[in-house]
Amino acid sequence: GAGVSQSPSNKVTEKGKDVELRCDPISGHTALYWYRQSLGQGLEFLIYFQGNSAPDKSGLPSDRFSAERTGGSVSTLTIQRTQQEDSAVYLCASSLVGLRSVSTEAFFGQGTRLTVV
Amino acid sequence: AQSVTQLDSQVPVFEEAPVELRCNYSSSVSVYLFWYVQYPNQGLQLLLKYLSGSTLVKGINGFEAEFNKSQTSFHLRKPSVHISDTAEYFCAVTLSGGYQKVTFGTGTKLQVIP
Repeated sequence: GAGVSQSPSNKVTEKGKDVELRCDPISGHTALYWYRQSLGQGLEFLIYFQGNSAPDKSGLPSDRFSAERTGGSVSTLTIQRTQQEDSAVYLCASSLVGLRSVSTEAFFGQGTRLTVV
Repeated sequence: AQSVTQLDSQVPVFEEAPVELRCNYSSSVSVYLFWYVQYPNQGLQLLLKYLSGSTLVKGINGFEAEFNKSQTSFHLRKPSVHISDTAEYFCAVTLSGGYQKVTFGTGTKLQVIP
């Protein structure tokens, strides 16, 4: 597709279970970002990938959160032993960054709404 | 590291009135600045961006923003708002030069009152 695709769009899980959230960035975009949007909290940065490496993972809230990116494309955000406070909308964005790029405009997916019950 | 402050969490304004949404950033080096809009139950989309050149940037839907380096601000303005402008607006910053993460503010909810 032409845009950033995230799946699933909605996920309800029981407390203590593990979940995986997927992001398909725009083809050719080397930078990929994960953000979390909680009610009244704005956009919280989680992790940033450049290619397959993550130069900035400072926003991951705990060691229950991890993310990987393979082939410079698809990324998976994994939350282990989910807690109720993990409930939020998880947003993925990608941007085209290159040696001659003057734009790091981020294109966002529709997000995954995670509800931990 | 860069940071962004949006001073107003909510801004109510009457239809056809002007509006200004404030954004201040902190960075010791050159930055790129963005405003994104999120309509109810939708994803974020870019409204406008400042990379270099003219400090007055025009975006979609009649919005504009002015980059003020001395005041480290990038306030968003519209001379006459419509009901359809009701949304949440996010200011964002990234360091110029590429390969940098984008940092967002906490957002400002614009509520247009008929």
